[in-house]
Amino acid sequence: GEDVEQSLFLSVREGDSSVINCTYTDSSSTYLYWYKQEPGAGLQLLTYIFSNMDMKQDQRLTVLLNKKDKHLSLRIADTQTGDSAIYFCAESIMDNAGNMLTFGGGTRLMVKP
Amino acid sequence: ETGVTQSPTHLIKTRGQQVTLRCSSQSGHNTVSWYQQALGQGPQFIFQYYREEENGRGNFPPRFSGLQFPNYSSELNVNALELDDSALYLCASSRPERGSPLHFGNGTRLTVT
Repeated sequence: GEDVEQSLFLSVREGDSSVINCTYTDSSSTYLYWYKQEPGAGLQLLTYIFSNMDMKQDQRLTVLLNKKDKHLSLRIADTQTGDSAIYFCAESIMDNAGNMLTFGGGTRLMVKP
Repeated sequence: ETGVTQSPTHLIKTRGQQVTLRCSSQSGHNTVSWYQQALGQGPQFIFQYYREEENGRGNFPPRFSGLQFPNYSSELNVNALELDDSALYLCASSRPERGSPLHFGNGTRLTVT
């Protein structure tokens, strides 16, 4: 079955690193994504990783994938107040339904000045 | 590059009515997906269209239907609206290749009273 879980809330101080965690259950997942949602807006693609990789870095963002434990994390270095938002992880399972994404419930990141 | 655009941004309907939501794909994308995001939750997959045909569907009843047009724009139609249909409806477009990330619009906020 497909189930993606995230912790609900994370609070950090400006300048610190943030680590948002996600677990998924379907071992056939091939791509895993991180999206950011600000109030009243749609989802902004941050980064994604293919399941044969264990790490991907993109400027302040680092994604770590532990496929054995089905654990995905997003690290934001030097977190800024503008990073305050809800972060969703999502898995993509390549079946006949095309590139369907299953999302977690989202983690609300609050950055304190 | 034009992103995904959705219309209208907000809509209020009465229970039992019908609604049509519209979406224009990002240029170069020919696959369109629709997601429903209830308040405080992650998006749920409704269906996906490729080459004007539905090629994947989530756990939504038949009163949720869609269309994709030759210019890759899309409509989501919901008949016999229920109170629980109140949500943010997100359209996403992508290239057809497996793993191509979804790019989302800002959504249509539907309120059913």
